[in-house]
Amino acid sequence: RKEVEQDPGPFNVPEGATVAFNCTYSNSASQSFFWYRQDCRKEPKLLMSVYSSGNEDGRFTAQLNRASQYISLLIRDSKLSDSATYLCVVNYGGRRALTFGSGTRLQVQP
Amino acid sequence: DGGITQSPKYLFRKEGQNVTLSCEQNLNHDAMYWYRQDPGQGLRLIYYSQIVNDFQKGDIAEGYSVSREKKESFPLTVTSAQKNPTAFYLCASRKDGNNQPQHFGDGTRLSIL
Repeated sequence: RKEVEQDPGPFNVPEGATVAFNCTYSNSASQSFFWYRQDCRKEPKLLMSVYSSGNEDGRFTAQLNRASQYISLLIRDSKLSDSATYLCVVNYGGRRALTFGSGTRLQVQP
Repeated sequence: DGGITQSPKYLFRKEGQNVTLSCEQNLNHDAMYWYRQDPGQGLRLIYYSQIVNDFQKGDIAEGYSVSREKKESFPLTVTSAQKNPTAFYLCASRKDGNNQPQHFGDGTRLSIL
């Protein structure tokens, strides 16, 4: 079983739609969580950290469910510019690097 | 502006040749990382370093080597032992602390001639 699992998609949605992605992680000792965005042939960029209480940044909302070991990302009022791959990232703590999921591809259509 | 600089942006390797990818950061981060990304795939960890003069193998270290002689610099050498080196290579750094994210350079694309 992969440490961090995501539905690869693609999710094809019209402009203005609301879309949600889930990501599951296997290690219950995971300490911190992030969503990154990666555009085609570019480096990943931090979208937002995911806090236990959930957090919101404009049209983006991230939630953490420790009991079920998943995190989610909700995008409201999708824009064409939201088209990208969204990477779920987990930190197990200690000396290790962050663990990246393989990403979920979103395509917002006019 | 603080950031992570990778060079070159594109690199071509001949058979049997070693090539070195540069990664420099001026963020004063202790930890630095190298990842490899193949088309349509996720990131795979090659090597990481938490402190100067110390580094650890990641999941796919075979055929690669690194050094960490200075805090700012973490070069990656792709040796001739790496038989399938064509990929997108990403360097990242991170501030100390469990809740800190990683920050990435803009990558180096390596291809075989």
